[in-house]
Amino acid sequence: DTGVSQDPRHKITKRGQNVTFRCDPISEHNRLYWYRQTLGQGPEFLTYFQNEAQLEKSRLLSDRFSAERPKGSFSTLEIQRTEQGDSAMYLCATGTSDTGELFFGEGSRLTVL
Amino acid sequence: QQQVKQSPQSLIVQKGGISIINCAYENTAFDYFPWYQQFPGKGPALLIAIRPDVSEKKEGRFTISFNKSAKQFSLHIMDSQPGDSATYFCAASHNTDKLIFGTGTRLQVFP
Repeated sequence: DTGVSQDPRHKITKRGQNVTFRCDPISEHNRLYWYRQTLGQGPEFLTYFQNEAQLEKSRLLSDRFSAERPKGSFSTLEIQRTEQGDSAMYLCATGTSDTGELFFGEGSRLTVL
Repeated sequence: QQQVKQSPQSLIVQKGGISIINCAYENTAFDYFPWYQQFPGKGPALLIAIRPDVSEKKEGRFTISFNKSAKQFSLHIMDSQPGDSATYFCAASHNTDKLIFGTGTRLQVFP
C-alpha cells in the first residue's frame, strides 16, 4: 500500500490517559499535516511539518498536544491527559511543497470516556 | 479560522440529476481550491482542484466553476449516481500552505 497509513484506526481511552497516533506518509512527500475532524464538521488544521521541521501550529492546539516527525519520515501525535473534548477523528495528510495537493489517510478515531 | 463558507449543509438529488455545491472565501491570497469527497469512516479523498488562472475545470462528471471577482467557486456533479452519496468539502490554500476546509455538504442521491 503506497498511501498514507495511520495507526491505530480506533482508540478508546479513559479521561486523563495519554494517547499516541502514528502516521506513515507517502514516501516522496516532504510535507505532513495533522488535522482534527469532529462529527459534521470539516477537517481543522492542527500542525504541519516540512521534512523534520515543524513549521506551524494552530493556536487551537493546546499544550497537551505534541507532534514530532523525526528524520522527516513518519510522524507521531501525542495527546497528554486526554479530555472528553478530545474525542474526534485525527487525520494525517501528506503532500509536496510544490503542488499544495494533500492526500489523507483513513484517520485515527479517538473516543475519550 | 472560518475563511471558507460552504452551502448547502445537505442536498438531496434524484439519480441522473445535477448536484451543485457552493463555496465562498474571504482571503484573496488563496490560489488553490480543491474539492474532497469523504465516505463515512474514511479519510477525505481529493476529487478535483482548480487554480484561479482558469474559470472552469472538468474531470468526467465533476466540474469546478470559479468566479474570482465574486470570491466563489462551486462543484457540479452531472448525472448524479447513488454511489456519489457522500460528504463533500471545499477547501482553499495560499502558496501551498495548509488547506482551510469548509464545513461540508452531505449529498444523498436517490434512485
